[in-house]
Amino acid sequence: NAGVTQTPKFQVLKTGQSMTLQCAQDMNHNSMYWYRQDPGMGLRLIYYSASEGTTDKGEVPNGYNVSRLNKREFSLRLESAAPSQTSVYFCASRPGQSGKNIQYFGAGTRLSVL
Amino acid sequence: KQEVTQIPAALSVPEGENLVLNCSFTDSAIYNLQWFRQDPGKGLTSLLLIQSSQREQTSGRLNASLDKSSGRSTLYIAASQPGDSATYLCAVSDTGFQKLVFGTGTRLLVSP
Repeated sequence: NAGVTQTPKFQVLKTGQSMTLQCAQDMNHNSMYWYRQDPGMGLRLIYYSASEGTTDKGEVPNGYNVSRLNKREFSLRLESAAPSQTSVYFCASRPGQSGKNIQYFGAGTRLSVL
Repeated sequence: KQEVTQIPAALSVPEGENLVLNCSFTDSAIYNLQWFRQDPGKGLTSLLLIQSSQREQTSGRLNASLDKSSGRSTLYIAASQPGDSATYLCAVSDTGFQKLVFGTGTRLLVSP
């Protein structure tokens, strides 16, 4: 099983460029999440999708947009990248709304904005 | 705003020791608490999930406890092994949507 797959694994952008981070899960999960991880700050939630067709803001949504393309895919878009968006981005998914369901994480996308 | 703190930030122990990692949170109105493991350059793996109504959860050599009223959780690792070397993260959720708030982690090194 592939689980949660993120592409690309690494990316370098110049300030002002745009890009989309892709995330796909093959576990038929309903909920999906995007986090960023910065040194000394832990992981912070950017956006989440409780189910197909819905998205909502997390703690740090500014500068990002998301699309829940279908049940499998949840993409994160940077319209005009800034150096402050240099980070490691993680996508996660979980089966549904039961509080007993854990989140499964992808391996991450390491993004540098110059 | 919920804040999660993990102490110590780093810990180095010889193989075979029992150890305790600490996690504290400022708002006791949590839905559940999870402990994760992160290996260098990798994603996170969920280790244990404790519902707000539970006091502890066990998986193999791992035992996590939760004292919601005091805003604390501990992760106990018995008979540590070099393969346990990783960063351990604590996270809390205030709803079933599981919008997690993470601590900054404890980096554990177990020496042979």
